[in-house]
Amino acid sequence: DTAVSQTPKYLVTQMGNDKSIKCEQNLGHDTMYWYKQDSKKFLKIMFSYNNKELIINETVPNRFSPKSPDKAHLNLHINSLELGDSAVYFCASRAGVSNTGELFFGEGSRLTVL
Amino acid sequence: AQTVTQSQPEMSVQEAETVTLSCTYDTSESNYYLFWYKQPPSRQMILVIRQEAYKQQNATENRFSVNFQKAAKSFSLKISDSQLGDTAMYFCAFMKHAGGGADGLTFGKGTHLIIQP
Repeated sequence: DTAVSQTPKYLVTQMGNDKSIKCEQNLGHDTMYWYKQDSKKFLKIMFSYNNKELIINETVPNRFSPKSPDKAHLNLHINSLELGDSAVYFCASRAGVSNTGELFFGEGSRLTVL
Repeated sequence: AQTVTQSQPEMSVQEAETVTLSCTYDTSESNYYLFWYKQPPSRQMILVIRQEAYKQQNATENRFSVNFQKAAKSFSLKISDSQLGDTAMYFCAFMKHAGGGADGLTFGKGTHLIIQP
């Protein structure tokens, strides 16, 4: 059983399109995140949710909209895709109180915008 | 805000050698976690080792150990008896110890470690 799963793993699309990446965790964790890894491998947090509530919203264009229908899911919708959105997007989760701090990552979703 | 600096973009060593990856960080927090994550070509992020700032003893996990110098804000990773499977990007990361909060990890830019046969 995959602890944190993302779909799709690969996504190729044209500029201007809208796309979504889904994430689910079966660890019972309270907190979920989206990270973006750019072409230089730098990982930067985009959003975090705690029990479906948005906690962290870094400086991300408002074309990016996260949605958490329940504690186990955090989806990322991207409108009007641009070339610069090409990256690997990682979903991660973490337990809440009395946690070890460790984040558990999904396998990443590679988005290519042409 | 926290910053994490990894000053070695790439390192290459022979199999079975020992290698040390450097990491420094800057924070005004007194209680926090530090991590080393490994990202092999499969791109999966794998936790290598974790250190809690209030613990003076350096963490160890089999061939992996850290040298945590809190006053110097330094957190280096030592890999002993390196193996071909250790070839990967290694990321140093920082997290505030915020109890049940949703603070995420702040990552360094990574060190690409290559183990040569």
